Amino acid sequence: LAKTTQPISMDSYEGQEVNITCSHNNIATNDYITWYQQFPSQGPRFIIQGYKTKVTNEVASLFIPADRKSSTLSLPRVSLSDTAVYYCLLNAGNNRKLIWGLGTSLAVNP
Amino acid sequence: EAGVAQSPRYKIIEKRQSVAFWCNPISGHATLYWYQQILGQGPKLLIQFQNNGVVDDSQLPKDRFSAERLKGVDSTLKIQPAKLEDSAVYLCASSPGTSGSPDTQYFGPGTRLTVL
Repeated sequence: LAKTTQPISMDSYEGQEVNITCSHNNIATNDYITWYQQFPSQGPRFIIQGYKTKVTNEVASLFIPADRKSSTLSLPRVSLSDTAVYYCLLNAGNNRKLIWGLGTSLAVNP
Repeated sequence: EAGVAQSPRYKIIEKRQSVAFWCNPISGHATLYWYQQILGQGPKLLIQFQNNGVVDDSQLPKDRFSAERLKGVDSTLKIQPAKLEDSAVYLCASSPGTSGSPDTQYFGPGTRLTVL
């Protein structure tokens, strides 16, 4: 089963851009890269998903190089409310055998 | 659109007792998931339903955990008897279940179980 590796924790300040990189050397051809965000005492929430190149939505961007062995979640101008745990997952489309790692705990400071 | 509903939000029991959790997915979602999340860890899938059939229950401790999804809508997860190591947040999620495309999961708020 393909696994992902991401930093355990990151620190940032309000207004900065935050980039969280996820490594997935064994990504399969049919895997999509999916990111979820989880606040304390809440269930995870979908942020963004992509297959290749760049995907952007109203909250984040996802950069995926051509070899797809890594990906970077970019959060523009973070605020205190972006303090959360961010999970990178490989998803073949049917959510089968999803592996949720420890995620990256992002702390945004004033 | 109403989200995924779970109850209760909190439950405290003693070891060897039984407990049940209830989940009401988003209307029309074919796929339902139960996860266990221990403090400081990522969610661990316990069971995945497609309509009322089980797709994956490989990580469900079947000697003590059971789950059902009657009529392909609501679902219950039961633990009998509970152990101390079952203390965790139990998350329910649902997804449209559209085949052939990435399927976003929508999570409920979870039930925090404490086993004493």
